[in-house]
Amino acid sequence: DTGVSQDPRHKITKRGQNVTFRCDPISEHNRLYWYRQTLGQGPEFLTYFQNEAQLEKSRLLSDRFSAERPKGSFSTLEIQRTEQGDSAMYLCASSTTRQGETQYFGPGTRLLVL
Amino acid sequence: QKEVEQNSGPLSVPEGAIASLNCTYSDRVSQSFFWYRQYSGKSPELIMSIYSNGDKEDGRFTAQLNKASQYVSLLIRDSQPSDSATYLCAVSLSSGTYKYIFGTGTRLKVLA
Repeated sequence: DTGVSQDPRHKITKRGQNVTFRCDPISEHNRLYWYRQTLGQGPEFLTYFQNEAQLEKSRLLSDRFSAERPKGSFSTLEIQRTEQGDSAMYLCASSTTRQGETQYFGPGTRLLVL
Repeated sequence: QKEVEQNSGPLSVPEGAIASLNCTYSDRVSQSFFWYRQYSGKSPELIMSIYSNGDKEDGRFTAQLNKASQYVSLLIRDSQPSDSATYLCAVSLSSGTYKYIFGTGTRLKVLA
């Protein structure tokens, strides 16, 4: 396994712009998760997919946020009309039943909204 | 009440000592429990998982779970300066969801 990968690793954008992040899970991991982490806090759950189906979304995920996993492999998280409060580390994780649904995290995408 | 609570620290221990990190959770039917280590600016790295009451050991790390008291802890023996990091407790809630609920983390400092 090559691990979970995320792209880009860093993103600086201006308020009001749209941004999109990509996550490639560990191969054959059927569940994929997005979390958001701000300074001094633990990761907060945003949403998760089982294969291509988005099964759960947090109330934190406003209508400016959308996530997809079109073919059950990689996933994208888009934030429209970014706000300064969106500045955070966006973490992706994946899991499989074969490994007890233990979640393995990618390196994260650090977003700064100016 | 927060769903998963940890003392934010910092917890300072001398090199070679045992570091004890604690976590309590509110959902009585939580099923799975995890400890992650997170270095500053990096993503969480899994240390241990524990599912049953009792102790689970892996090298210098021991996780302890007491479901009756809704308490999970992590002991780090022979602490090293490289163990200095934030330790996150994560809980997987009742069946039907696979998301984790994280505590805010405890910052550990191992003093050389």
